[in-house]
Amino acid sequence: EPEVTQTPSHQVTQMGQEVILRCVPISNHLYFYWYRQILGQKVEFLVSFYNNEISEKSEIFDDQFSVERPDGSNFTLKIRSTKLEDSAMYFCASSAHLDNQPQHFGDGTRLSIL
Amino acid sequence: AQKITQTQPGMFVQEKEAVTLDCTYDTSDPSYGLFWYKQPSSGEMIFLIYQGSYDQQNATEGRYSLNFQKARKSANLVISASQLGDSAMYFCAMRESGGSYIPTFGRGTSLIVHP
Repeated sequence: EPEVTQTPSHQVTQMGQEVILRCVPISNHLYFYWYRQILGQKVEFLVSFYNNEISEKSEIFDDQFSVERPDGSNFTLKIRSTKLEDSAMYFCASSAHLDNQPQHFGDGTRLSIL
Repeated sequence: AQKITQTQPGMFVQEKEAVTLDCTYDTSDPSYGLFWYKQPSSGEMIFLIYQGSYDQQNATEGRYSLNFQKARKSANLVISASQLGDSAMYFCAMRESGGSYIPTFGRGTSLIVHP
């Protein structure tokens, strides 16, 4: 069964450094998402992406964040200058459509900011 | 106001027994979808089951079924014949079709299955 893959599984970065989290969505999916989950808390939406542009973003997704689909398969989340509070699990998800199709999640990247 | 409420922070169930995980939601949108995800201790998010607001029948997927009570705005997940591998966090989520399509997640319920 096709799946969303994320790399790396764990990223440790110094505060202030840039980090890029990578995702390969399911190949025939059109909608892509990033979520984060701070340890022990609920899943929070960051951004959605469709047709090579951001379709929605939350207030968490400030100027420090950006997303890109550099080629036909990868979908990346960049954090320009990481802060301690960026430490979380980051999930990429994709769906075929918006409406009643479930979002399929990757296994997540655990980001630890030191 | 919370759009998704999961009132049970933790639940325990004996192996092979059935368990119900509660989820209530709040929306004025007539068209919406409800989802349940499982998050094992390893961290990944696994889609379990979907219920559309216009679906006439309760969704079922193997040992998972969704007890959808539209008037009460509840979408409880029922796991039949619990297995040790069902021990995980379970998240209920809702996506409204009008306006934003972004799902809102509840805070989750931790399920522990005892042998």
